[in-house]
Amino acid sequence: DARVTQTPRHKVTEMGQEVTMRCQPILGHNTVFWYRQTMMQGLELLAYFRNRAPLDDSGMPKDRFSAEMPDATLATLKIQPSEPRDSAVYFCASGPNWHEQFFGPGTRLTVL
Amino acid sequence: GENVEQHPSTLSVQEGDSAVIKCTYSDSASNYFPWYKQELGKGPQLIIDIRSNVGEKKDQRIAVTLNKTAKHFSLHITETQPEDSAVYFCAASSGGYQKVTFGIGTKLQVIP
Repeated sequence: DARVTQTPRHKVTEMGQEVTMRCQPILGHNTVFWYRQTMMQGLELLAYFRNRAPLDDSGMPKDRFSAEMPDATLATLKIQPSEPRDSAVYFCASGPNWHEQFFGPGTRLTVL
Repeated sequence: GENVEQHPSTLSVQEGDSAVIKCTYSDSASNYFPWYKQELGKGPQLIIDIRSNVGEKKDQRIAVTLNKTAKHFSLHITETQPEDSAVYFCAASSGGYQKVTFGIGTKLQVIP
């Protein structure tokens, strides 16, 4: 049963520290998405890739967030420096096409 | 851009009763409408979707309806069971490489 995997599942860090979240998309999927979920804002799209190329990252605070796909099996989301307002659950999703999205279990980030 | 509104935000039903969640969208170009179920501590999972060339779609106890004229779509769950308790998200997309926009979510509680 193919699944999207994310690491770490939980991360607690102090303000100002760098945070790196990793995602392994389902093999063969050519689209990858990063979302942030909070109680107030719901699910927000941060960035998405097609065939490893970034198509849109307009949802990300550019000065501190960056998303990359070093290869087809790894997507990363980095926050540097982290701030308390970045505390949220970050989801990665992958899909065989543009519409179908299979979500990972998420990384719960707490920035103190 | 697309705006998706979802209601109610919370819904409690007795086991065996039906549950209905409604969503409206703003972009008349939207043509794909998925519904996701998110259980506690997990990522959203696609449960059913509908495209604009179809008015209704059913899968066992779950059905979705779409009214393109009024720009609203609904999720219907019949014979609810405790395992249906979760947060449900509606979403809309206009295809191509346009992002999927999610509603704020409905927390459904099925009371045994």
